[in-house]
Amino acid sequence: DAGITQSPRHKVTETGTPVTLRCHQTENHRYMYWYRQDPGHGLRLIHYSYGVKDTDKGEVSDGYSVSRSKTEDFLLTLESATSSQTSVYFCAIRQGASYNEQFFGPGTRLTVL
Amino acid sequence: EDQVTQSPEALRLQEGESSSLNCSYTVSGLRGLFWYRQDPGKGPEFLFTLYSAGEEKEKERLKATLTKKESFLHITAPKPEDSATYLCAAHSGNTGKLIFGQGTTLQVKP
Repeated sequence: DAGITQSPRHKVTETGTPVTLRCHQTENHRYMYWYRQDPGHGLRLIHYSYGVKDTDKGEVSDGYSVSRSKTEDFLLTLESATSSQTSVYFCAIRQGASYNEQFFGPGTRLTVL
Repeated sequence: EDQVTQSPEALRLQEGESSSLNCSYTVSGLRGLFWYRQDPGKGPEFLFTLYSAGEEKEKERLKATLTKKESFLHITAPKPEDSATYLCAAHSGNTGKLIFGQGTTLQVKP
């Protein structure tokens, strides 16, 4: 357990509505990541952060934005949810620049109707 | 292009029947090969990191090995509680990102 919580754990929403997922960590890690996991695609990186207010895009960033106003929280926002964004979303942390391992949270299952 | 491929997609074993899972990678400037275990409805759980060809790591019934092109996760005398999806990921020195394979789902029957 890397001290990562995600909220909500499950969410059902409708197409076109905005959605924000939260990742919270308690161990002051600098690096945080958002992934989505879909059958047939494995885990794919959406966005990541390397410090407060420092974020960058991953391979599947279209339709998503992120914010990190404090070290412990990394927010993922779907500005206008689409059915293709139905997925399981995982947050991960990396303990520091000298460590390449990432540790994952419990996930959020999002369904967009 | 960085790529990680796992095989087989699914594997069914009898309890005690040893086997291996394969992870083939094509990654620029490998900076670590990682194995994770994922149980249904949960996040991936870190198992091992391997950094250089010839390196081996062990944990209970699991042993991970690494060559210049692939990694193997050997499972010796598995038990039903080893049933899970096993994920492999390679850290690309070129992009600084983790590239994941699609996983191997292991089922061990008593």
